[in-house]
Order: sequence, then structure tokens, then C-alpha cells
Amino acid sequence: GIQVEQSPPDLILQEGANSTLRCNFSDSVNNLQWFHQNPWGQLINLFYIPSGTKQNGRLSATTVATERYSLLYISSSQTTDSGVYFCAVQEAGTYKYIFGTGTRLKVLA
Amino acid sequence: DGGITQSPKYLFRKEGQNVTLSCEQNLNHDAMYWYRQDPGQGLRLIYYSQIVNDFQKGDIAEGYSVSREKKESFPLTVTSAQKNPTAFYLCASSEGNTYGYTFGSGTRLTVV
Repeated sequence: GIQVEQSPPDLILQEGANSTLRCNFSDSVNNLQWFHQNPWGQLINLFYIPSGTKQNGRLSATTVATERYSLLYISSSQTTDSGVYFCAVQEAGTYKYIFGTGTRLKVLA
Repeated sequence: DGGITQSPKYLFRKEGQNVTLSCEQNLNHDAMYWYRQDPGQGLRLIYYSQIVNDFQKGDIAEGYSVSREKKESFPLTVTSAQKNPTAFYLCASSEGNTYGYTFGSGTRLTVV
């Protein structure tokens, strides 16, 4: 099956700093999503981005499907950005999404 | 407000008991999913359903069962056959397979 690797596994930032999170996947995919899981476990969909670039406030994402990677950019980070960021890819021809193991982000005040 | 409701938030199970986790959505989504998350890990797919009265096994279906009798509801039963059921269980829904997920707030199951 598809392998999904996220890097870095852990990241500590000072408030106001920028960061880039990476998601590599091993095979062609139909779709890709980025999620943020807060400290209470709630998962919020950040982007549905099978290809191209999208922006939402301080967050933006780019997926280059032909090169099998996606990037999530966080600018001017805030303490509320802390949590785990997951990338999930959908296997071609199925409804199944495969999740990476996440990037754990901590933003310090 | 539209969303997904999971209940209960916390559940304790004795060895050998079956328990059922509830997942209800009022988003009119066709597809629903159950995922399991272990500490420090990503999510693994247990079961999913694309339409009422139909569901498919995911990657870790052994020891679990589901039903989809109504569009709004997709309950998960953790049976006594599941060897290591202690985990965080998350339910999600989507309009179809080309749309993003909406997740519920999860149920933390502990075997005592």
C-alpha cells in the first residue's frame, strides 16, 4: 500500500516564526488532505488539496502530485497553532485515506 | 449547526465485553468512516461506508463490527475479539470520495 512520510516529526517554534511541513507519498493518489489535531484530540480539516496551491489566512499548502509531495506553510505562528499536523492521501480508486504519523508542533510564547 | 456527534467521550470496558460507540451526523453526507488512533500514532481505518446498507472493511477491521441502517448513523461495536481495544476512536464523514473529511470529537476507550 501507499506509504506516507511526514517531516519533521517534531518542531518547536517561537511565536511569530514561519515553518514548512512536508508530506511525501510513495504512489499516485487521488486526493490529499491536511489536518490539525488540537491537544484535546479534535481533528480539523485545513486543506483539501489534490494539486496546486491554496491559502487560508496564515496557512497555505502546495501539492505537486507528479513529484509525490505536499507542503504546508505556517506563517507568523501563534501558540494556538500547537498540536499535531497530519497529511492524509487517498489511494487511487478507493475511498480510503492513509494518514501519515504527523508533525508535532509546539509554539512557544 | 451541522456536524458529527460522537458519544460517549470516555468509555471504560471490562475484559470480554462488547461496547458500541455512537456516531451521528446531520451534514447529509453519504460517506462515513471509523478510524483508530493509538498514542503518538497516525490514524488507521477500521471501516467505511459509502452508502446506506453498505460498508467495507478498512485496514484493521478484525474485532470490530459496524452497521449503516440510516444515512445519519454509523455505530461501531468493539467486540471481545479485539485484543487491544484501548485507543482513541474517531468518526468522520464526507459528501463523497472527492471531498474533504469532517471529524467528530472522538471517543476514548479504555479496557479495565
